[in-house]
Amino acid sequence: DAGVIQSPRHEVTEMGQEVTLRCKPISGHNSLFWYRQTMMRGLELLIYFNNNVPIDDSGMPEDRFSAKMPNASFSTLKIQPSEPRDSAVYFCASSLGGRRYEQYFGPGTRLTVT
Amino acid sequence: DQQVKQNSPSLSVQEGRISILNCDYTNSMFDYFLWYKKYPAEGPTFLISISSIKDKNEDGRFTVFLNKSAKHLSLHIVPSQPGDSAVYFCAASGVTNTGNQFYFGTGTSLTVIP
Repeated sequence: DAGVIQSPRHEVTEMGQEVTLRCKPISGHNSLFWYRQTMMRGLELLIYFNNNVPIDDSGMPEDRFSAKMPNASFSTLKIQPSEPRDSAVYFCASSLGGRRYEQYFGPGTRLTVT
Repeated sequence: DQQVKQNSPSLSVQEGRISILNCDYTNSMFDYFLWYKKYPAEGPTFLISISSIKDKNEDGRFTVFLNKSAKHLSLHIVPSQPGDSAVYFCAASGVTNTGNQFYFGTGTSLTVIP
């Protein structure tokens, strides 16, 4: 298996623009997680899905952030409008399900908002 | 409020010696703990985990110790090798009053000196 795939790997955009990050989880995994990594706060869980259904989105910072999982093999994280403080590395991870299973992380998307 | 804390942002150890990475958590509802290792430009990878019913779990050179009364866990690497140089994240999960929760610490950057 290719592992968790994220695209793009790097994104540079101007403030106010819409940004869409994409994730393909490992086939057979039924939980998917979106994280944001910053120096100050480490890895923050933004949202996670179980069987394509959002279970907990309490980590989503504000209404500018939205996430979807239309099917078991694809998820998006959208920021609209983007702001400079959104600059971070965004990771997607998947697992077999349940919080006792290890999560497999993608390589991340480095987002820079100028 | 940071629910999982790694108070040492960095650690340097001589090759062959023991590396001890520490992690503290605040919520007694957490009952499953994991360590992840992260190399630059890659996503975190799972290293070792421990359930709250245990106080020690060992896997090769890696041992995790859990002290529930102190809400503290540590990762021991013996002997340390240059390839262990990476950022190590501690994570905690549990069912809290807001549902299943996952929290990561801010990470400790380990450098093993040859």
